[in-house]
Amino acid sequence: GAGVSQTPSNKVTEKGKYVELRCDPISGHTALYWYRQSLGQGPEFLIYFQGTGAADDSGLPNDRFFAVRPEGSVSTLKIQRTERGDSAMYLCASSPGGGPEAFFGQGTRLTVV
Amino acid sequence: GNSVTQMEGPVTLSEEAFLTINCTYTATGYPSLFWYVQYPGEGLQLLLKATKADDKGSNKGFEATYRKETTSFHLEKGSVQVSDSAVYFCALSESLSNTGNQFYFGTGTSLTVIP
Repeated sequence: GAGVSQTPSNKVTEKGKYVELRCDPISGHTALYWYRQSLGQGPEFLIYFQGTGAADDSGLPNDRFFAVRPEGSVSTLKIQRTERGDSAMYLCASSPGGGPEAFFGQGTRLTVV
Repeated sequence: GNSVTQMEGPVTLSEEAFLTINCTYTATGYPSLFWYVQYPGEGLQLLLKATKADDKGSNKGFEATYRKETTSFHLEKGSVQVSDSAVYFCALSESLSNTGNQFYFGTGTSLTVIP
């Protein structure tokens, strides 16, 4: 597709369950970012991939959060033992690498009940 | 460290009014500056950008000038429309050798334009 694609668009899960959120970046973009946006707040950085490797995961809040990008394209954000405080919009962005601009997907709204 | 502070909302304007949303930043190096817009239920869309001091970004009637001396990047539009109703985020991006282009966002300013 032409833009960054995130699936699912909405996810409701029960407290304690495991969830996976998927991001399909723009073809050819080497850099991929995950952000979390709570209601009424700006996006907060979670993790950045350059190619297959996580170049910076300093924004992951704790070890329940993990992300992979095994082939340098699609990325999956994984959250174990979800808590109600994990409820937020999770945004993915990609960029060609080397440039300052990033292109965002529509986001996945996660609700933990 | 890096941070962005933007004017708190919500902002309500009548159609054709002049808009200013203030944004100031703190950065350790030489960031690029952005305004992103988020329409209800949607992701972030890039509105405009400026990559160095004194650059002016513009798009869809919106403008912002990168002011290094005042560390500001205020968003302006001369005549707003109902369709401009959205949340606006100021952001900075700084390219670092090992961390790519990490973005720092303000908290967002909600704009409602009434007919």
